[in-house]
Amino acid sequence: QKEVEQDPGPLSVPEGAIVSLNCTYSNSAFQYFMWYRQYSRKGPELLMYTYSSGNKEDGRFTAQVDKSSKYISLFIRDSQPSDSATYLCAMSFSQGGSEKLVFGKGTKLTVNP
Amino acid sequence: GAVVSQHPSRVICKSGTSVKIECRSLDFQATTMFWYRQFPKQSLMLMATSNEGSKATYEQGVEKDKFLINHASLTLSTLTVTSAHPEDSSFYICSAHSGAGGNEQYFGPGTRLTVT
Repeated sequence: QKEVEQDPGPLSVPEGAIVSLNCTYSNSAFQYFMWYRQYSRKGPELLMYTYSSGNKEDGRFTAQVDKSSKYISLFIRDSQPSDSATYLCAMSFSQGGSEKLVFGKGTKLTVNP
Repeated sequence: GAVVSQHPSRVICKSGTSVKIECRSLDFQATTMFWYRQFPKQSLMLMATSNEGSKATYEQGVEKDKFLINHASLTLSTLTVTSAHPEDSSFYICSAHSGAGGNEQYFGPGTRLTVT
């Protein structure tokens, strides 16, 4: 049973569009929710980090968490070609004294100029 | 801040040889480091968790004798792939957690291992 499900994409949008990326999860033990951006053949870069239900905004990015529905989203406003990358959702839980991450498969986004 | 480096960025080795990958936290002390493996078009899969000065904890299905992890200091962890085989070819990524403040993990740029 997969613990984190993420829309596989790929997603292609025109420059300036609003992008919505989503993940669902089944494990109620997940405590923290993150979005990472990964460019081809690079390590993931942390974009957003949240731990409670609601919205968190950072520039053009908004992370939304709905714990009751076990659903998280990342919105990108005024998307730019430089936003083209794979976006990974990740969720953490405590085990053995460490915070471990479980990742979604990632959604590949292309923003066309 | 929160920069993690990995070396080498890519390595090609022959089947049966061993390869060591280094992971360093450059501007913070990492109490915990994690090693992940990522196959093409797949997500990151946690291999093991290492705490400085302790033995690594391996995830189910990961052979601890094949993937040797050493976390000798608060800024350095190494992963050694022993007796590498072509099926070990993958993208290996480390992450580091400072243990202070939040629970964010910061990732290195990854190491592309190809076993021929």
